[in-house]
Amino acid sequence: NAGVTQTPKFRILKIGQSMTLQCTQDMNHNYMYWYRQDPGMGLKLIYYSVGAGITDKGEVPNGYNVSRSTTEDFPLRLELAAPSQTSVYFCASSYSSSSNQPQHFGDGTRLSIL
Amino acid sequence: KQEVTQIPAALSVPEGENLVLNCSFTDSAIYNLQWFRQDPGKGLTSLLLIQSSQREQTSGRLNASLDKSSGRSTLYIAASQPGDSATYLCAVRRGKNYGQNFVFGPGTRLSVLP
Repeated sequence: NAGVTQTPKFRILKIGQSMTLQCTQDMNHNYMYWYRQDPGMGLKLIYYSVGAGITDKGEVPNGYNVSRSTTEDFPLRLELAAPSQTSVYFCASSYSSSSNQPQHFGDGTRLSIL
Repeated sequence: KQEVTQIPAALSVPEGENLVLNCSFTDSAIYNLQWFRQDPGKGLTSLLLIQSSQREQTSGRLNASLDKSSGRSTLYIAASQPGDSATYLCAVRRGKNYGQNFVFGPGTRLSVLP
């Protein structure tokens, strides 16, 4: 049981390039989330999904896209990388939205846009 | 708008000391509050979750309290150990809808010196 797995762990992009951050979970969780964490700041929700085929915007969705074709996978796509997207990206999952269900986090992807 | 702050930003204590980490939030209408631990280069690990109807939760050497009326939560760590060194984040969930309702604080970086 690997939990939440994110790839890659590190990546450097040039301005205007695109890439996909991968996230997969093996806990059969319905809910999945993408956050970004900037230095000295709390995590901010980018997108979330409540099940396969269903996604919705979080607090800071601009510049990102997501898809959820399977329960296990929730990739995050950057179409035109900008320096403001330099951050650490965390994927998380939970079984349900019940108040006593914690989120399980991956180890993050550290992304630099130069 | 819900805002979450954590003071101090960093804390250094000798091994064996009891300590308190603070979390403040501006809107008392919360659904629950969670404390997380984040190790360098890693994701977040859920430590304790306090539902809005509860006053405290305990797990081992950790005790978290919640006072909604004053907009405060504290995380008490008893008999601190070097292995407790990490960043501790609190997060407030504003409602049952899991979408845009999780607000994180910036964290307190704890160092326990042997």
